[in-house]
Order: sequence, then C-alpha cells, then structure tokens
Amino acid sequence: EAQVTQNPRYLITVTGKKLTVTCSQNMNHEYMSWYRQDPGLGLRQIYYSMNVEVTDKGDVPEGYKVSRKEKRNFPLILESPSPNQTSLYFCASSGRWGNSPLHFGNGTRLTVT
Amino acid sequence: GDSVTQMEGPVTLSEEAFLTINCTYTATGYPSLFWYVQYPGEGLQLLLKATKADDKGSNKGFEATYRKETTSFHLEKGSVQVSDSAVYFCAPHGNDYKLSFGAGTTVTVRA
Repeated sequence: EAQVTQNPRYLITVTGKKLTVTCSQNMNHEYMSWYRQDPGLGLRQIYYSMNVEVTDKGDVPEGYKVSRKEKRNFPLILESPSPNQTSLYFCASSGRWGNSPLHFGNGTRLTVT
Repeated sequence: GDSVTQMEGPVTLSEEAFLTINCTYTATGYPSLFWYVQYPGEGLQLLLKATKADDKGSNKGFEATYRKETTSFHLEKGSVQVSDSAVYFCAPHGNDYKLSFGAGTTVTVRA
C-alpha cells in the first residue's frame, strides 16, 4: 500500500531533550516536506526537500533541522525542543512537483513541557 | 511563495444543503490547483484537482473549476452529508516549492 509513515504518533518530552520524528514514503517520491498545524494558524511549512541532499526552508524553520540522505526518508530533528514547538506535525510527499498531489502521513502530536 | 485567500469558517450547514467555499490564489506562473480535506484525527488527503484553466475537478460530489481570469478555485457541493464534516484546504502548486496551507475552512454538517 502506498503510504507516508510517521513515527511516533504521540510524543511527550521535556525542554531541551533532542528528538527525531521519522518520516518514510514508499512511493519513490522526489518531493517531501514537513508541516506543523496549530489552531487558528493552519498548516505551516517547516522544511521541504526537492530530492536527495536538496533541502530548503519553509515558512517556520527556526528550531528545526532536516536531512535527506535517502529518497524515502525525511526525518525532522528538534535539537533543543521548547514548549512553543508543541504542535501537530505532518510529513508529506509528492511525485513530480506541480501536477502531483501531496500524500500526507497521519501526524505526530508533540508535547514539550 | 504562492498563497491563498480562503473563506473563513467555521461553516455550519444542515444535511442536503448547498456548500460553497471560496478560494482565490496568487502564484507564479500557472499552477495546478488542489483541494485537500482533513477528516477529524487524520492527515490531509486529496479531494480534487485541476491542472489548467477551465478544467473542472470533481470527486465525491464536490466540484471546482479553475478560473484563470479571476484566479479562483471555488469548491461546491450540491447536497452535503454529515460525513462531509471536515476541514477543507485550497492549495496552488506553483513554480515555488514552498507551500503553506493556511487555516482552512471548517465545515460542520448537522443531521
């Protein structure tokens, strides 16, 4: 089954403790991206990647890192999480950018205390 | 980057009512246009798309027509059901790889 898999689904952590949210897609998609969803603010793009080893900042990249060493994986790294990064996170992937839709994972709900 | 102006919600309707959600966009070039839907507790999924001017996308009784002259892609459904309760997002996929979705439009359909 074609899918985008995020792990974990739920995560509670403390301020400053490094964490990684994994994202993997099995559709051989070139494009991948990360979003955070907050009430009243919608989905805002954190980082995106056009292909392996090619990444760029979205609208809200501060406090986040990403890497794209393989086509299928696009982990989101929070080196020193803070409470304002408490949010619902979504990973998405797409074939050739433009005409192809985004495929979303089921989300990761992160709470930073 | 590309951006959208989408009708603010929340929208509350009775079953079998007509639904319209307005969407206008700004984008470089001639983007493909998408509507995504987010059901409670889930990620976004594609609802419909149109890739060029005057194209009509349709799915699950929903329709939207790509209007280049007005840069709009309004979503319509003639008779909504309770199962259509969700958050709806309009999104242009333009030449810019950056894409944020905005707040979306929350639709609640009452039986």
